[in-house]
Amino acid sequence: GQQVMQIPQYQHVQEGEDFTTYCNSSTTLSNIQWYKQRPGGHPVFLIQLVKSGEVKKQKRLTFQFGEAKKNSSLHITATQTTDVGTYFCAGPIVGGSSNTGKLIFGQGTTLQVKP
Amino acid sequence: KAGVTQTPRYLIKTRGQQVTLSCSPISGHRSVSWYQQTPGQGLQFLFEYFSETQRNKGNFPGRFSGRQFSNSRSEMNVSTLELGDSALYLCASSLVLAAGEQYFGPGTRLTVT
Repeated sequence: GQQVMQIPQYQHVQEGEDFTTYCNSSTTLSNIQWYKQRPGGHPVFLIQLVKSGEVKKQKRLTFQFGEAKKNSSLHITATQTTDVGTYFCAGPIVGGSSNTGKLIFGQGTTLQVKP
Repeated sequence: KAGVTQTPRYLIKTRGQQVTLSCSPISGHRSVSWYQQTPGQGLQFLFEYFSETQRNKGNFPGRFSGRQFSNSRSEMNVSTLELGDSALYLCASSLVLAAGEQYFGPGTRLTVT
């Protein structure tokens, strides 16, 4: 079935190093969303990308949506301990008995930052 | 605005029992989605309700059901609980139907013994 795959599953970095997580879909997505879940917390919406090749920045976070709208990435520059958590990508998948999309999440990348 | 609220926050049940979880969305949000989160399977979509109608459904057995009321509040029911149903159940509300920006509640941690 349609899937959203995310790599790596885990990443340990030293504070100040950069971090990137990648998201790939088996089908073209109308949009891609990114969420962050702190340990013990719930997912919090970060951003949505809609256009092919779109790049958006939020301070040290850079989000990209691929030209074919099948992949995306999140890059964090100079990580800080506050970046610790699990980052999820999610894309709407249309199919089955419904003609409206349901949000399918990647498995997430858990980021650990050593101070 | 108040965020998404879920009750109860923690629940312990025995195999074979049933459970009902409740979710109150952000005021003005008409879409409510439910997700199951486990360490092994990640975030799995259960179903989405919009204007009191189920609009999307994930790949879960019929033991998992839900409903939405006219005030957009939603409940999720799991009957004949199994050990594998132990998980964090997250509710998320959205302004729009079908995979809009999701605002998650704190979740209900269900433990089945």
